[in-house]
Amino acid sequence: DAKTTQPNSMESNEEEPVHLPCNHSTISGTDYIHWYRQLPSQGPEYVIHGLTSNVNNRMASLAIAEDKKSSTLILHRATLRDAAVYYCILSNDMRFGAGTRLTVKP
Amino acid sequence: GAVVSQHPSRVICKSGTSVKIECRSLDFQATTMFWYRQFPKQSLMLMATSNEGSKATYEQGVEKDKFLINHASLTLSTLTVTSAHPEDSSFYICSARGDSPVEQYFGPGTRLTVT
Repeated sequence: DAKTTQPNSMESNEEEPVHLPCNHSTISGTDYIHWYRQLPSQGPEYVIHGLTSNVNNRMASLAIAEDKKSSTLILHRATLRDAAVYYCILSNDMRFGAGTRLTVKP
Repeated sequence: GAVVSQHPSRVICKSGTSVKIECRSLDFQATTMFWYRQFPKQSLMLMATSNEGSKATYEQGVEKDKFLINHASLTLSTLTVTSAHPEDSSFYICSARGDSPVEQYFGPGTRLTVT
């Protein structure tokens, strides 16, 4: 079984921020937290990754809890193109959970 | 970012035949490759992990004699589905990792249909 758990679905309005949570309570100190997103019939697309500190890139921000047992992917202004299934996985495990299906409403 | 390719993108084969899927890392050396399959409306299921030059490690419930994985070079891994049956029809996705777990990318997937 995957070592991450996420809500099955979330909704957002266009141009509003979205916070996608992920729990990984059995994470190890050497695990990187990776986030990917997937559109139908496509391979997962890299979004962001982190080890312990919060991270920002052009796509998103990643906030990692101090105890590292949870993380949150932040899309600062959701667009219709951000609608996808979002997955968080751990580098030492590489098993996918069910992911979160993000719906963005115009 | 780095690119991982898969070939073919889609394949149709007859029941009982074998089909080979290639996964290539185009601009980095993949010391580890992961193979997944994904059924409609489901998540990716890890099938096996392979390190270059070593035998693949299969997940529980995945038949190693049916899903043959070869990782003979740092840029190429192949998955061969032997004696394919209609229930093997699925979306197969590979992922390649460089020396660091930070460097991890997925291929675009291969749609296999067994008739």
